[in-house]
Amino acid sequence: GENVEQHPSTLSVQEGDSAVIKCTYSDSASNYFPWYKQELGKRPQLIIDIRSNVGEKKDQRIAVTLNKTAKHFSLHITETQPEDSAVYFCAASKQGGSEKLVFGKGTKLTVNP
Amino acid sequence: NAGVTQTPKFQVLKTGQSMTLQCAQDMNHEYMSWYRQDPGMGLRLIHYSVGAGITDQGEVPNGYNVSRSTTEDFPLRLLSAAPSQTSVYFCASSYSRDPNYGYTFGSGTRLTVV
Repeated sequence: GENVEQHPSTLSVQEGDSAVIKCTYSDSASNYFPWYKQELGKRPQLIIDIRSNVGEKKDQRIAVTLNKTAKHFSLHITETQPEDSAVYFCAASKQGGSEKLVFGKGTKLTVNP
Repeated sequence: NAGVTQTPKFQVLKTGQSMTLQCAQDMNHEYMSWYRQDPGMGLRLIHYSVGAGITDQGEVPNGYNVSRSTTEDFPLRLLSAAPSQTSVYFCASSYSRDPNYGYTFGSGTRLTVV
């Protein structure tokens, strides 16, 4: 089955810097790649997603890039703020949507003021 | 809309006991799933359902049963609790196979098995 590897497991940046989290997937049939943000003690929430027919997607300070050939995708956060501190999860599915999403193990991002 | 409602929020069980974690959604989502979250392990899929009457296994189904008699409800049953099932359990729902709609997660159930 699908396997999603996520790096790094922890990331610490200064406020205003950029943060990049990378994920690789094993199943070339995967076609949907969402990112979730989970604040301490809260539920995961979708922040951005990308489909396999798109190479890049942006939403204000966050962007996701996808390289299908290399089977990896990345989350980019620019101008980081303390409220960006959270655990971020990448995920992959070959069903075109949230069905049978396989998650990475998460990256704990800390933004230092 | 209440979204996805999970009960209880916290539960302590003794080894060997059984219980049901409840999950209900009022968004008419076809797709519902159960994940468990353990430190350093991410979210792992236990069982999922693409509609009423249809369920299937995820990555870690052993020790759990599910049923989907209505669109709204998707309970998770622990048959004989074990300490390895100590975890935070999340129920999630979405429109099936529509990438424009991600998961809506419930608030989670923190289960401790002693």
